[in-house]
Amino acid sequence: DQQVKQNSPSLSVQEGRISILNCDYTNSMFDYFLWYKKYPAEGPTFLISISSIKDKNEDGRFTVFLNKSAKHLSLHIVPSQPGDSAVYFCAASPSSASKIIFGSGTRLSIRP
Amino acid sequence: KAGVTQTPRYLIKTRGQQVTLSCSPISGHRSVSWYQQTPGQGLQFLFEYFSETQRNKGNFPGRFSGRQFSNSRSEMNVSTLELGDSALYLCASSFIRAGSSYEQYFGPGTRLTVT
Repeated sequence: DQQVKQNSPSLSVQEGRISILNCDYTNSMFDYFLWYKKYPAEGPTFLISISSIKDKNEDGRFTVFLNKSAKHLSLHIVPSQPGDSAVYFCAASPSSASKIIFGSGTRLSIRP
Repeated sequence: KAGVTQTPRYLIKTRGQQVTLSCSPISGHRSVSWYQQTPGQGLQFLFEYFSETQRNKGNFPGRFSGRQFSNSRSEMNVSTLELGDSALYLCASSFIRAGSSYEQYFGPGTRLTVT
């Protein structure tokens, strides 16, 4: 049972445009949501997180939106840069512990 | 501030052997989690330690165990290695501000190959 789902395995975006990565979850007990970026053969790099008491969190070019009623979150990257090409993982965790459940990832490619 | 460190970075073992992996979290982080990453299964949670106590455990057999020391450093042990244990093992340290933010930082991982 996949509790965190990233239904798009890949996404291609032109440099300078907005990249939107989507994530759905099924467990209403999740209180924290995180986004990670991963390059091959490296550990995931933490990007941004959001608490369930908020609906938006912004950090530089990265903004995460949370829609609790739809159990959906998205990561917006604007403007997209070539260095953003990587696999992006959505993850979620209940507040009582740091057991984080990861989605399957979306490979983002930024084309010139 | 130094990041999460893991040793060794690469390891080759044969079936039936055991292995111990080490992780040093970011200074001040008391929670350490371990994950297994494989191409087929993605990132899977193994267990989490907080203040020397296992607080959470994933769905892995008892051959996978861990511990945490008083300085928050953690070790993970896999006994009776199987070919399917070949994976990238990632350690992460986390810091949570209740209702505010949750940050978890990963180390570079230990690549374990079982032959």
